[in-house]
Amino acid sequence: QKEVEQNSGPLSVPEGAIASLNCTYSDRGSQSFFWYRQYSGKSPELIMSIYSNGDKEDGRFTAQLNKASQYVSLLIRDSQPSDSATYLCAVNTDNDMRFGAGTRLTVKP
Amino acid sequence: GAVVSQHPSRVICKSGTSVKIECRSLDFQATTMFWYRQFPKQSLMLMATSNEGSKATYEQGVEKDKFLINHASLTLSTLTVTSAHPEDSSFYICSARDMNEQYFGPGTRLTVT
Repeated sequence: QKEVEQNSGPLSVPEGAIASLNCTYSDRGSQSFFWYRQYSGKSPELIMSIYSNGDKEDGRFTAQLNKASQYVSLLIRDSQPSDSATYLCAVNTDNDMRFGAGTRLTVKP
Repeated sequence: GAVVSQHPSRVICKSGTSVKIECRSLDFQATTMFWYRQFPKQSLMLMATSNEGSKATYEQGVEKDKFLINHASLTLSTLTVTSAHPEDSSFYICSARDMNEQYFGPGTRLTVT
């Protein structure tokens, strides 16, 4: 069983819609959770971190964490074509950061 | 967020030669840095964890004698690809942790001809 799982996609949404990206993790002891965005040919960029259950909002991005269900998600409101990228979920357990394989998001104009 | 730089951004070398890639944490000290490799349309693959002042820890299947890592200071780690071959052509990305968060350098695209 993979430690951090994401649907590889591609996930396609129309411009202006909400994009919902999901991630599950296997280690209940995981303490911190991150979302990275990676444009094609570029390195990953940290866009959100979340440490406690519930929602955390930053602009058009909302991260949601449910530790009981071992589930973390990223919502992108008012999706723009510039949001088209691969989104990586990362989970930190005892200083060991594990990355999911990423979900490719395409926002169509 | 914290800034990690990498140099060079792109390098082309001949088969059999060695290439050194530098990774620097610009505004924080990093006792631990990470080296990843990513082939086109594939996931990040962790190659090794670089620890300041001690030997790097390599992931299974990564040849430590081929990928030499030196973490001589709290702000600099280097990866040397020795006797490079065309199959080593890839996107090499370093990363460093600042407090709880991990930041990536811009990557180095290596092409071995």
